[in-house]
Amino acid sequence: DAGVIQSPRHEVTEMGQEVTLRCKPISGHNSLFWYRQTMMRGLELLIYFNNNVPIDDSGMPEDRFSAKMPNASFSTLKIQPSEPRDSAVYFCASTDDRGRGTEAFFGQGTRLTVV
Amino acid sequence: AQKVTQAQTEISVVEKEDVTLDCVYETRDTTYYLFWYKQPPSGELVFLIRRNSFDEQNEISGRYSWNFQKSTSSFNFTITASQVVDSAVYFCALSRRNSGNTPLVFGKGTRLSVIA
Repeated sequence: DAGVIQSPRHEVTEMGQEVTLRCKPISGHNSLFWYRQTMMRGLELLIYFNNNVPIDDSGMPEDRFSAKMPNASFSTLKIQPSEPRDSAVYFCASTDDRGRGTEAFFGQGTRLTVV
Repeated sequence: AQKVTQAQTEISVVEKEDVTLDCVYETRDTTYYLFWYKQPPSGELVFLIRRNSFDEQNEISGRYSWNFQKSTSSFNFTITASQVVDSAVYFCALSRRNSGNTPLVFGKGTRLSVIA
């Protein structure tokens, strides 16, 4: 199994530009999570999906952030317009838990730099 | 609300020393899961262990051991005979035990440096 695949691995963009981060979860997993990691705030949940349906997006910082999961094998996190304070590592994770507490498997992350 | 506290921000030890990473959690749930993840310098998050709230048995895996004490809401992680390759940031995390999948709540992490 290839694991959770995120793209791109690194992204450098100018303030005001649109940024799209992509995630392919592990095949068969029914939950997908987007986390953001910064030095100041650590690892924080942005949004998660169960069976492609957004369950909790209360962690999405502002309306500039949006996430979609059009099917079980693909999700996007979009920032429009981007700002320097969005610079962080964004992780996608998936799990096939169904309430059993299985660990979440994380992708390699996307390091976003907004200049 | 759920919360995980890792009071040790950074720890530095000399190779072969034992080291314990502390984790204290808060939750109103009676059943929950606890986890430890490792983040090496390469940046990925690697799963180490999961513990169910009603299983308080300690666990040992090679040089790693975990001490879960529900009475003190703690889930501490000990590395015996530390090695340079253990240098990483270690995260403790908590999730609800639910009929559906729920996200992990992470502590801020402890950066461990093992010096040769």
